[in-house]
Amino acid sequence: KAGVTQTPRYLIKTRGQQVTLSCSPISGHRSVSWYQQTPGQGLQFLFEYFSETQRNKGNFPGRFSGRQFSNSRSEMNVSTLELGDSALYLCASSTVIAGGYNEQFFGPGTRLTVL
Amino acid sequence: AQSVTQLDSHVSVSEGTPVLLRCNYSSSYSPSLFWYVQHPNKGLQLLLKYTSAATLVKGINGFEAEFKKSETSFHLTKPSAHMSDAAEYFCVVSDRRGSSASKIIFGSGTRLSIRP
Repeated sequence: KAGVTQTPRYLIKTRGQQVTLSCSPISGHRSVSWYQQTPGQGLQFLFEYFSETQRNKGNFPGRFSGRQFSNSRSEMNVSTLELGDSALYLCASSTVIAGGYNEQFFGPGTRLTVL
Repeated sequence: AQSVTQLDSHVSVSEGTPVLLRCNYSSSYSPSLFWYVQHPNKGLQLLLKYTSAATLVKGINGFEAEFKKSETSFHLTKPSAHMSDAAEYFCVVSDRRGSSASKIIFGSGTRLSIRP
């Protein structure tokens, strides 16, 4: 089975621009979560999608948004980029179990640099 | 509310000696607990998970962790460190409320260095 894939792997943008990142989960996984990883803040949960609906959301401003398609692929969008948005963005997919989260499988991440 | 605390930001051990990475958690509900490893410039990989079965959990690469409810701990151990174990380790907690509101919380990470 192919793993979680994320595109692009690297991205350079300037302040004020917007960016869209893509994630393809493992086949059969319907839950997709996004995380931001920075040296200062560590790993922070952005949001989770399940069956095309946002099921959970972290504490990020509205500039961060996402969506999930019927084939479970997900995109996240960041508008009006700020320097502080420079980070590794990780996507993870999982199956869904009754009563909570199952183990997550992570992609290699997209390294976003905002200049 | 849930929280997870990794007590050491950096641990350094000699190759061949035991590894102990400490994790304490707080959860209002029965938790699921995980340890993930992240090698440089890579995504995270699951090492092991606890989901209310046996309290001693064995994972990949010789790692294991013990769930101690009385101490609210889930420390990660390995009897003998290998150079390839050098990486960042994350302790993760999620509650199992059985609702869509379940959340997953990552610890701040412990960087493990291995001395030759």
